[in-house]
Amino acid sequence: AQTVTQSQPEMSVQEAETVTLSCTYDTSENNYYLFWYKQPPSRQMILVIRQEAYKQQNATENRFSVNFQKAAKSFSLKISDSQLGDTAMYFCARLINAGNMLTFGGGTRLMVKP
Amino acid sequence: GAVVSQHPSWVICKSGTSVKIECRSLDFQATTMFWYRQFPKQSLMLMATSNEGSKATYEQGVEKDKFLINHASLTLSTLTVTSAHPEDSSFYICSALAGVSYNEQFFGPGTRLTVL
Repeated sequence: AQTVTQSQPEMSVQEAETVTLSCTYDTSENNYYLFWYKQPPSRQMILVIRQEAYKQQNATENRFSVNFQKAAKSFSLKISDSQLGDTAMYFCARLINAGNMLTFGGGTRLMVKP
Repeated sequence: GAVVSQHPSWVICKSGTSVKIECRSLDFQATTMFWYRQFPKQSLMLMATSNEGSKATYEQGVEKDKFLINHASLTLSTLTVTSAHPEDSSFYICSALAGVSYNEQFFGPGTRLTVL
């Protein structure tokens, strides 16, 4: 089965520090999309960042950046200058072919400590 | 950005009754919507893919007669949990594909279902 794996069930970081969340995935496709979603206590899913597999440049959105290693099938999320509002569940997800469904990893619970 | 709503946000019902959950795309048309189920402290699991004007595609292990999905318009998909039982209690989330960018799903806020 083609899966998405997040090996860190829980992580914590001090406010203003940097934390990296890991994600690996499996696919035989050459073109696909990868996402990181944030789910705060409200449980609303919020898109944090997206990466197209055909793009070699790592995506960046303000304090959030990814390290996309296509050959290794790795897609980690780095959060810089962590803020209390970053406390949430983070899900890595893969989409193969536009319009198809997302496959989610098991999630990482991130706690930002003051 | 594209907005997706769900109604109700939470519902409590008695065992044996049916519950309908609505998913609406407010500012865009969505030919495809997805229904997910999320248990506490777990990830989202896809239940079915809903396409406007056609029958939904259910994931393996999901009972199509129990979880009825109707996508009657480009802005509305409904999930009806029929003859609900306590094990159906969960958080149900819908998402919709926007027409401009098919590689992004926009998520509703979710519906918490509790079956007594």
